[in-house]
Amino acid sequence: GGITQSPKYLFRKEGQNVTLSCEQNLNHDAMYWYRQDPGQGLRLIYYSQIVNDFQKGDIAEGYSVSREKKESFPLTVTSAQKNPTAFYLCASRRPGARDTEAFFGQGTRLTVV
Amino acid sequence: EDQVTQSPEALRLQEGESSSLNCSYTVSGLRGLFWYRQDPGKGPEFLFTLYSAGEEKEKERLKATLTKKESFLHITAPKPEDSATYLCAVPLSGTYKYIFGTGTRLKVLA
Repeated sequence: GGITQSPKYLFRKEGQNVTLSCEQNLNHDAMYWYRQDPGQGLRLIYYSQIVNDFQKGDIAEGYSVSREKKESFPLTVTSAQKNPTAFYLCASRRPGARDTEAFFGQGTRLTVV
Repeated sequence: EDQVTQSPEALRLQEGESSSLNCSYTVSGLRGLFWYRQDPGKGPEFLFTLYSAGEEKEKERLKATLTKKESFLHITAPKPEDSATYLCAVPLSGTYKYIFGTGTRLKVLA
């Protein structure tokens, strides 16, 4: 079991919306999307604690998400995101009395062409 | 302001040369500190969780320790396969969000 992100590489033309897939079979309630740029830490885009509910992170502008199923948390990079070239990471976390570790997918590298 | 700072940014070691990586944090009510390893082009992989000051965890050549202000990741007699970026993260007070440091890029030379 684990988290599967697809595709591994994605190319976007100017003005185009693209959707990054994230699927998990860990039965985790919480899911997250992060963006990673060289020399910067992981920055939170959106997160979801439960199906049909999600919250904006620190850099949500130009992105949208949905959480219709527990297993799936797709991220759409819209044309409003002016600098989308980055490495995108999806993560999930199981609920617990204490904060627990995140499980990450292998990432999607998005490039604007 | 809640913050996580890692140092050094980059570290080059000879094989067998032990050293330590630092993660300092300023969050109120620490609920845990997490260490991850990230290889180039891949997602981070979980290493350790530390919940309270004085706690220590070990795994092979790695040992993580925690004080009230910082955590250290000690690497004893490293090997080239230990080369990676090491990230630390803490939960943000009163939220489900986590703050990540910018990481330490470790290179171990044979």
